[in-house]
Amino acid sequence: AQSVTQPDIHITVSEGASLELRCNYSYGATPYLFWYVQSPGQGLQLLLKYFSGDTLVQGIKGFEAEFKRSQSSFNLRKPSVHWSDAAEYFCAVAFMEYGNKLVFGAGTILRVKS
Amino acid sequence: DVKVTQSSRYLVKRTGEKVFLECVQDMDHENMFWYRQDPGLGLRLIYFSYDVKMKEKGDIPEGYSVSREKKERFSLILESASTNQTSMYLCASSRASGRAWQFFGPGTRLTVL
Repeated sequence: AQSVTQPDIHITVSEGASLELRCNYSYGATPYLFWYVQSPGQGLQLLLKYFSGDTLVQGIKGFEAEFKRSQSSFNLRKPSVHWSDAAEYFCAVAFMEYGNKLVFGAGTILRVKS
Repeated sequence: DVKVTQSSRYLVKRTGEKVFLECVQDMDHENMFWYRQDPGLGLRLIYFSYDVKMKEKGDIPEGYSVSREKKERFSLILESASTNQTSMYLCASSRASGRAWQFFGPGTRLTVL
């Protein structure tokens, strides 16, 4: 079965430090890839998406992600974290062979310390 | 501004009650989804609909049913609520095309006592 793994449940970074959140998926075909962010008590907001083409994609709020086919990974990065980035981040994958339904990772909770 | 709205942000129900969660989108999207979110488990798909009156089971449909009588509205029904259905419920919608992404509502936190 398709699965998405976010190996880090919690991450704490200092404000101004760089950030990388990891995401791996288990399927051979090229999927569509997404990162969503959820602030406390809110729904999910799309940060960025990858369908095809350039494997480095830019998103909102200064985030970027890189698709690495050989590693089945789609890691999220930000060069300098702001306190307002504290939230939960979800990686999601849509597998075309399964009707483009999204499969979500378990999420990574980001804490930012000042 | 495009929107997915959910009828309640917080809901408290008793075991055995019938519960309706309503979701409305204003983007004329073909697809609509209901997810359940639990800590450490991410989002799990309960049901989805790709057209009016059409529905398909997701990964965890047991104990739930859905209704889609109009394109913009997708309802989740708990026929007889149980305590293990205490959770956050998120509705989403998307276009039908392959290169589409889902827009989410704010969620309904349901507590079943």
